Amino acid sequence: EPEVTQTPSHQVTQMGQEVILRCVPISNHLYFYWYRQILGQKVEFLVSFYNNEISEKSEIFDDQFSVERPDGSNFTLKIRSTKLEDSAMYFCATATGLGGYTFGSGTRLTVV
Amino acid sequence: ILNVEQSPQSLHVQEGDSTNFTCSFPSSNFYALHWYRWETAKSPEALFVMTLNGDEKKKGRISATLNTKEGYSYLYIKGSQPEDSATYLCAFGSNFGNEKLTFGTGTRLTIIP
Repeated sequence: EPEVTQTPSHQVTQMGQEVILRCVPISNHLYFYWYRQILGQKVEFLVSFYNNEISEKSEIFDDQFSVERPDGSNFTLKIRSTKLEDSAMYFCATATGLGGYTFGSGTRLTVV
Repeated sequence: ILNVEQSPQSLHVQEGDSTNFTCSFPSSNFYALHWYRWETAKSPEALFVMTLNGDEKKKGRISATLNTKEGYSYLYIKGSQPEDSATYLCAFGSNFGNEKLTFGTGTRLTIIP
């Protein structure tokens, strides 16, 4: 069964550093998303991406965050100048648009 | 702000027993209700996507029902097995299949052998 692959599985970074989280979506999927879960809280939506542009973003997704699909395959989430409160599990998800998402196994980001 | 709630937050069930838990969601602007099964260190696994009021879906020993008028869905597990231990997440879809999901807090199910 096709999978969404995320790398790295775990990233530790110092406060103020930039991190890039990577996702390889399923090849025929057209819609891409980033979600995150802070420990003990709900999974929350960050951003959706379709046709090479952001289609919707949440209040969390401020100027500190950006997404791109630079080579037509990898889908990346960049967090500039990380803060302690950015520590979370970050999930990439992709969809065909016909219903149902496929999630990756997540990147656990720890900001110290 | 959409509010999606799940109950109970955690549940311990004896192996072989059946169980069920609830997801409540806004009854207005409904498009889809998703159920996921999530084991630690793994990807959330899609169980069901439900769109029509009265929908009932089944996958092996797991089934789900949907009431969009009153804004709730039930997930049932028949004859629980240790491998059913996981967190079960429901998510409200505001636009079928291609827009954001709003998640509940999850129900953490532990099956006692």
